[in-house]
Amino acid sequence: ILNVEQSPQSLHVQEGDSTNFTCSFPSSNFYALHWYRWETAKSPEALFVMTLNGDEKKKGRISATLNTKEGYSYLYIKGSQPEDSATYLCAVNDYKLSFGAGTTVTVRA
Amino acid sequence: NAGVTQTPKFQVLKTGQSMTLQCAQDMNHNSMYWYRQDPGMGLRLIYYSASEGTTDKGEVPNGYNVSRLNKREFSLRLESAAPSQTSVYFCATKPSAGTGFGDEQFFGPGTRLTVL
Repeated sequence: ILNVEQSPQSLHVQEGDSTNFTCSFPSSNFYALHWYRWETAKSPEALFVMTLNGDEKKKGRISATLNTKEGYSYLYIKGSQPEDSATYLCAVNDYKLSFGAGTTVTVRA
Repeated sequence: NAGVTQTPKFQVLKTGQSMTLQCAQDMNHNSMYWYRQDPGMGLRLIYYSASEGTTDKGEVPNGYNVSRLNKREFSLRLESAAPSQTSVYFCATKPSAGTGFGDEQFFGPGTRLTVL
């Protein structure tokens, strides 16, 4: 089981502002990094799976980057909207995932 | 397609009681997982099944047993429930068997369990 850390634990963003947060993981034995979006009372849903150093993924206003050599990934939300309010989980795996505790984003209208 | 389903959605047990959480998927996925989610701790892997017929322990297996009944179903059993097992339990699936680390996981709706 890998030690995956996410920071900050929570953040509040004004509607329209952009934000980003971090996932850190051991750089050795890396296979893939996953980002999941988890809304209250729902199930986690996959946003991105990244495997290569330098990977960048984008889905709408949300994007992510990966640095496997230094062991971190950033998730960016551009022009935050209230519907972006959720907990964002990152996880690192071989064939079993080790999850971080998540960053809870609250977007204020 | 229902995706990943879990039963029950909610359950209250008394200490020492037993119960089985059921998970079923109709996506023809090979790997299945059981996680528990506790406040401030993220998701922790209890057991997983990398393919039909195999099961392995995860990070927190004590107090649990699993059965991969067939390709579709993966159950989690609490033989003698303890208050420390109060949690939300999620089942998840992945298309590939074993490794296949580029696959995303698909989660069920969760079972909220309270042990008094």
